[in-house]
Amino acid sequence: EPEVTQTPSHQVTQMGQEVILRCVPISNHLYFYWYRQILGQKVEFLVSFYNNEISEKSEIFDDQFSVERPDGSNFTLKIRSTKLEDSAMYFCASSEKGITAFFGQGTRLTVV
Amino acid sequence: RKEVEQDPGPFNVPEGATVAFNCTYSNSASQSFFWYRQDCRKEPKLLMSVYSSGNEDGRFTAQLNRASQYISLLIRDSKLSDSATYLCVVNGDDYKLSFGAGTTVTVRA
Repeated sequence: EPEVTQTPSHQVTQMGQEVILRCVPISNHLYFYWYRQILGQKVEFLVSFYNNEISEKSEIFDDQFSVERPDGSNFTLKIRSTKLEDSAMYFCASSEKGITAFFGQGTRLTVV
Repeated sequence: RKEVEQDPGPFNVPEGATVAFNCTYSNSASQSFFWYRQDCRKEPKLLMSVYSSGNEDGRFTAQLNRASQYISLLIRDSKLSDSATYLCVVNGDDYKLSFGAGTTVTVRA
């Protein structure tokens, strides 16, 4: 069964450092998303991406965040200068038609 | 008002019991509705889509009431493996999924 894959599964970084979280969406999907979940809290929307551009972004997705689809398979989330409060589980998701989305297993980001 | 609100529970039920819970959503223009399941520290997994006519998938029944803007999930004959957090998810016309905070269900032997 096709699945969304994310790497790494766990990333520890020092405050102020840049991190790149990587995702390989399901191959025939056209819509891509990043969500995050702070421990004990709900899943929060960060950004959606369609047709090689951002289609929606939340207030959380400020200038420190960026997304890229560098080739035909990868979808990345970059955080330029990490803060302690960026510590969370980051989920990538993809959708064929922008309706039903399937999630990767997540990257646990710990900022120290 | 929160976009999607759920009763957080927890619902503690014995095996074999029926458990039901709701969620409400604020955006009347919402197009699609889902229940996802999330196990501790894992990714959300699609349980089922929710249709206006109501739909069943085995022991799970979902209902949508557009007029009152609420969605329900009923689990019959609960199994230990049903213990999880159930996430109500609404997709607006902006292709963005909005999540509720989740309802925790614990099924005990």
